[in-house]
Amino acid sequence: GAVVSQHPSRVICKSGTSVKIECRSLDFQATTMFWYRQFPKKSLMLMATSNEGSKATYEQGVEKDKFLINHASLTLSTLTVTSAHPEDSSFYICSAEERGTWEQYFGPGTRLTVT
Amino acid sequence: QKEVEQNSGPLSVPEGAIASLNCTYSDRGSQSFFWYRQYSGKSPELIMSIYSNGDKEDGRFTAQLNKASQYVSLLIRDSQPSDSATYLCAVNAGNQFYFGTGTSLTVIP
Repeated sequence: GAVVSQHPSRVICKSGTSVKIECRSLDFQATTMFWYRQFPKKSLMLMATSNEGSKATYEQGVEKDKFLINHASLTLSTLTVTSAHPEDSSFYICSAEERGTWEQYFGPGTRLTVT
Repeated sequence: QKEVEQNSGPLSVPEGAIASLNCTYSDRGSQSFFWYRQYSGKSPELIMSIYSNGDKEDGRFTAQLNKASQYVSLLIRDSQPSDSATYLCAVNAGNQFYFGTGTSLTVIP
């Protein structure tokens, strides 16, 4: 149980375009979903926290107009990187907190490369 | 002061030995504690959660929690080369989730 999927697993896009990443909890309802970014050999960096049906809470320094988060249901959250630039290239990972517990389960991650 | 502190390592142990990973946290109100394993290029995987003082064992893994000392540890018995990874400590305090920067473990065959 407690499986989280992410799609796509890898994406290459041109500078200036937008990319949408989906995160789904497959066998449980997620009270809260989190979006992280991780650069090579660096630690996880929390970007934002989203609760179903409400606006996401962004961490300091993360542009909410650039990283659009939609948490449409208890099993789906999406992150859209708008007007992507090469410096946005990174490993984006979502996690979902199972309702009734405090356990976070991570998706497999999406490797974004902006050319 | 960071919310969660871990020694970044690298920590090297020979195969078959016990690996001991440590973590301290700053918020005394923290209620739940987790250990994640992250292989290079992969996302973190939850391996242990612990909520009350004492030890919790799961296979070769034992989590230890001491709330008075604000300290949580992970012991890996009979370490295997496949245990080589970065281990992340995470703490939930009042709906805030904090991760440590991780300890890199290498198990030498």
